[in-house]
This record gives sequence, structure tokens and C-alpha cells, in this order.
Amino acid sequence: GIQVEQSPPDLILQEGANSTLRCNFSDSVNNLQWFHQNPWGQLINLFYIPSGTKQNGRLSATTVATERYSLLYISSSQTTDSGVYFCAVTTSGTYKYIFGTGTRLKVLA
Amino acid sequence: EADIYQTPRYLVIGTGKKITLECSQTMGHDKMYWYQQDPGMELHLIHYSYGVNSTEKGDLSSESTVSRIRTEHFPLTLESARPSHTSQYLCASSRFSAHTYNEQFFGPGTRLTVL
Repeated sequence: GIQVEQSPPDLILQEGANSTLRCNFSDSVNNLQWFHQNPWGQLINLFYIPSGTKQNGRLSATTVATERYSLLYISSSQTTDSGVYFCAVTTSGTYKYIFGTGTRLKVLA
Repeated sequence: EADIYQTPRYLVIGTGKKITLECSQTMGHDKMYWYQQDPGMELHLIHYSYGVNSTEKGDLSSESTVSRIRTEHFPLTLESARPSHTSQYLCASSRFSAHTYNEQFFGPGTRLTVL
């Protein structure tokens, strides 16, 4: 089955810094989402982005489906950005999402 | 407001007890999912349903069972809880549309501890 790998696995930033999170997948996908899991365990939808580029405030995401990767950009990070970031994908013929291994982000004040 | 709900949010229970984790959504979604997650780790699909009376096992083997009698309701049951079942259980739903294809939305989760 498809493999979904995220990097880096762990990231520590000073408040105000920028960062790029990466999601690589081993096969073609027809669906891709980015989530933020807050310290209370809630998964928050960030982007639905099977291809192209989207922006929402300080966050933006780009998916290059032909090269099998997606990037999540966080600018001017804040302590509330701390948590775990997951990408999740589906492949053709299924509605089941496969989740990546996650990037654990800690933003220091 | 359309949303997805899970109860209880936290549950501490003794070994051997039968438990049911509730999941309901008011989003009009036909697809529903249960994931199991250890703290800070990746999510593993344990059950899914594409509609009423449709249930399938996911990629991670689980001793739990599910039912889908109503579109909006997807409960998960453990007949005899064991310490190895201690984990967070997350419910999600989605609906195909021409615009979002199959975007998933998650409930707040249930943290289960079996003593």
C-alpha cells in the first residue's frame, strides 16, 4: 500500500520563526488533507489540497501531485501553533485516508 | 451548527467491562470512520462505513465492533475491555462532493483508560 512520510519528525521553533513541513507519498493520490492536532487531541482541518497552492492567514500549503509531495508553510509562528501536524491521503478507488507519521512542533515564547 | 460529537470525552474503566463509545454527526455525511491513536503517534483506521448497514474493518486489527443503523450515528463497542485497549479513539465523517471530493472532519475524541 501507499507509504506516507513526514519530515521533520520533531521541530522546535522560537516564536516568530518560519517553518516548512513536508509530506512525501509513494503513489498517486486523489485526495490530500493537512491537519493540526492540538494538545487536547482535537484534529483541526487546515487544508484540503490534492494539488495546487492555498493560503489561509499565516499558513499556506502546496501540493505537487506529479512529484508526490506536499508542503505546509507556517510563517510568524505562535505558541498556539504547537502540536502535531499530519498529512493524510487517499488513493484512487478508495475513500480511506492513510495518515502520515506526523511532525511534532513546539513553539517557544 | 453542523458538527461531529463524541461521548464520553474521557473514560476510565476496569478490565472486563463492556463499553460503547458514541459518535454522531449532523453534517449529513454518508461516510464515517473510527481511528485509534496512541499519544502523539499516527492515526490507524480500525473501522469505516460508507452508509447505513455498511461496515468494514480498517487497516489495524481491532477487537471492537461497530454498527451503522442510522446515517448520523456510528457507535463503537468493546465487549470486554483490556489494558491493551487504552488509547484515544477518534471518529470522523466525510461526504463526496464535486468540490471537496471526500474531505474528512473529526470529532473531539474519546480518551479511554482500562485499568
